[in-house]
Amino acid sequence: ELKVEQNPLFLSMQEEKNYTIYCNYSTTSDRLYWYRQDPGKSLESLFVLLSNGAVKQEGRLMASLDTKARLSTLHITAAVHDLSATYFCAPRRDDKIIFGKGTRLHILP
Amino acid sequence: EAGVTQSPTHLIKTRGQQATLRCSPISGHTSVYWYQQALGLGLQFLLWYDEGEERNRGNFPPRFSGRQFPNYSSELNVNALELEDSALYLCASSSPGHPFTYNEQFFGPGTRLTVL
Repeated sequence: ELKVEQNPLFLSMQEEKNYTIYCNYSTTSDRLYWYRQDPGKSLESLFVLLSNGAVKQEGRLMASLDTKARLSTLHITAAVHDLSATYFCAPRRDDKIIFGKGTRLHILP
Repeated sequence: EAGVTQSPTHLIKTRGQQATLRCSPISGHTSVYWYQQALGLGLQFLLWYDEGEERNRGNFPPRFSGRQFPNYSSELNVNALELEDSALYLCASSSPGHPFTYNEQFFGPGTRLTVL
């Protein structure tokens, strides 16, 4: 059974700082998704990572995937307040996507 | 292009009643997924429908059921409601056969179910 662990679960950081969210998963997965959720809102797709070594960047967010280590990271560069949200990683196995508990990111002005 | 839509936005029921939640996928998408997001528990996979058939099911009791209609819209039914069923229920759709979408799931705004 695929299990997903994200850490940290809560992160409070100042603007302009860099930080990384980690996503570990327990068994092989053929792809991994990152989503963002604003309070009271639905989920917005950020990245789809398909293969080992995949790296994708959008603005201040960069996601990477190491399938051998079963680890994905979401790196935030020079954080701004607009990035405050909950971020979920979600690896897929056997046509089922399993979500982590999410990392609630709070960026202080 | 319209996104995934869900109705109702909010639903209040009492324990023991039944709830019906509805979802319309993005045009052209054939797969519909249902998730439960309860406070503090993250997103839990409930059901996956594709081409009118149930393809996979999460670890939920049989009183959680659903169906997919010929137009690919879907219903989630929760019978014999319990207090712990209170949650945000999210629907997502995807297009499995499309080579450029990577089975990416697009989420609707959700239905907030409150069981009193």
